[in-house]
Amino acid sequence: DAMVIQNPRYQVTQFGKPVTLSCSQTLNHNVMYWYQQKSSQAPKLLFHYYDKDFNNEADTPDNFQSRRPNTSFCFLDIRSPGLGDAAMYLCATSRKGLYEQYFGPGTRLTVT
Amino acid sequence: AQSVTQLDSHVSVSEGTPVLLRCNYSSSYSPSLFWYVQHPNKGLQLLLKYTSAATLVKGINGFEAEFKKSETSFHLTKPSAHMSDAAEYFCAAPAAGNKLTFGGGTRVLVKP
Repeated sequence: DAMVIQNPRYQVTQFGKPVTLSCSQTLNHNVMYWYQQKSSQAPKLLFHYYDKDFNNEADTPDNFQSRRPNTSFCFLDIRSPGLGDAAMYLCATSRKGLYEQYFGPGTRLTVT
Repeated sequence: AQSVTQLDSHVSVSEGTPVLLRCNYSSSYSPSLFWYVQHPNKGLQLLLKYTSAATLVKGINGFEAEFKKSETSFHLTKPSAHMSDAAEYFCAAPAAGNKLTFGGGTRVLVKP
């Protein structure tokens, strides 16, 4: 089945230690998104790739970076995680020009 | 500007009784609207979508929603709640740049 896969499902990192979360998709969608979701809140868009074009949200901290080496894969790098970065990180995809998004299962990040 | 308002942050129902989750929207983009469900520690799953065909949309798991342009509403209903319906529900509308604007979410509690 076509899907969005996120690894790992749970990640524990130390304060200030860089961490990378990964997302892959078999849907062949042009657009890939990264969201941060804190407890009992709606997902908050960090950035998205429209094909290879990177689009950063204005309020996304510089501490968050992303890479998309090919259509199928996208990575979220947190350069120096703080306690406030503990959250669920969701990856999603969509077709160009369509708004329907398909979500992965998420990675729960804990910062100690 | 796009906005999505979910009128109830929490809804509590008894198993077997109807569920109503309310959503009002303001969007100048494509007349698409979405409802997503999120179970604990999972990603968002698309329940249903409105794409300007029929105003009454049927989704998965017995859910349906009615698009009412005059009321700018897209309320989600289910005739008979099941324990497995306990989750967080998000209404979403299109935004610029192939993005979605999410409502604040409604947490559904189902009592036996």
